[in-house]
Amino acid sequence: SQTIHQWPATLVQPVGSPLSLECTVEGTSNPNLYWYRQAAGRGLQLLFYSVGIGQISSEVPQNLSASRPQDRQFILSSKKLLLSDSGFYLCAWSGSQPTGGAFFGQGTRLTVV
Amino acid sequence: AQSVTQLDSQVPVFEEAPVELRCNYSSSVSVYLFWYVQYPNQGLQLLLKYLSGSTLVESINGFEAEFNKSQTSFHLRKPSVHISDTAEYFCAVSDSTGFQKLVFGTGTRLLVSP
Repeated sequence: SQTIHQWPATLVQPVGSPLSLECTVEGTSNPNLYWYRQAAGRGLQLLFYSVGIGQISSEVPQNLSASRPQDRQFILSSKKLLLSDSGFYLCAWSGSQPTGGAFFGQGTRLTVV
Repeated sequence: AQSVTQLDSQVPVFEEAPVELRCNYSSSVSVYLFWYVQYPNQGLQLLLKYLSGSTLVESINGFEAEFNKSQTSFHLRKPSVHISDTAEYFCAVSDSTGFQKLVFGTGTRLLVSP
């Protein structure tokens, strides 16, 4: 069966510090990968998605970047965190066909102080 | 582009009462519709989905949702809720004609009290 791992679960970082969140998927190959951010009362916002190694699409301009160095690894990064980057970050994967829905990791609670 | 509206940010109900969580969507193309549930400090779990065929879809834990194309709705219902159903529920839509980007509503917090 497929599993998705996301870490760390919680993170407190000072303003201006770098960020690296990692997500890996097991039990499937060539998944579509996604990073979402959840802000209180605002639902989930799609930040980045990837259909293959090195292929990253950004949905909204922001202080963050994403990379996919391996087929089942997706990394969310920032060089300098802002207070507004605080939120709950969720990694997800789906198959290449649009019928299955997406499957989410447990999320990372990021607090920028 | 698609959009999803969940008008109710919070729905309080008593245990064993029925509940309906509303979801309306907007899209110029055919869509797939999903309901996800999120328990505190956890990721989202797929609850049920509508792809095609019968407009009434059911989950294994008693929830059901009905796709209504004319009203562009996909409301979630349960005839009798349990305390354990307390969670946040998200409606989502994706374009059925291409790459699957899920567009989410803002969520509805279901609060079940004894």
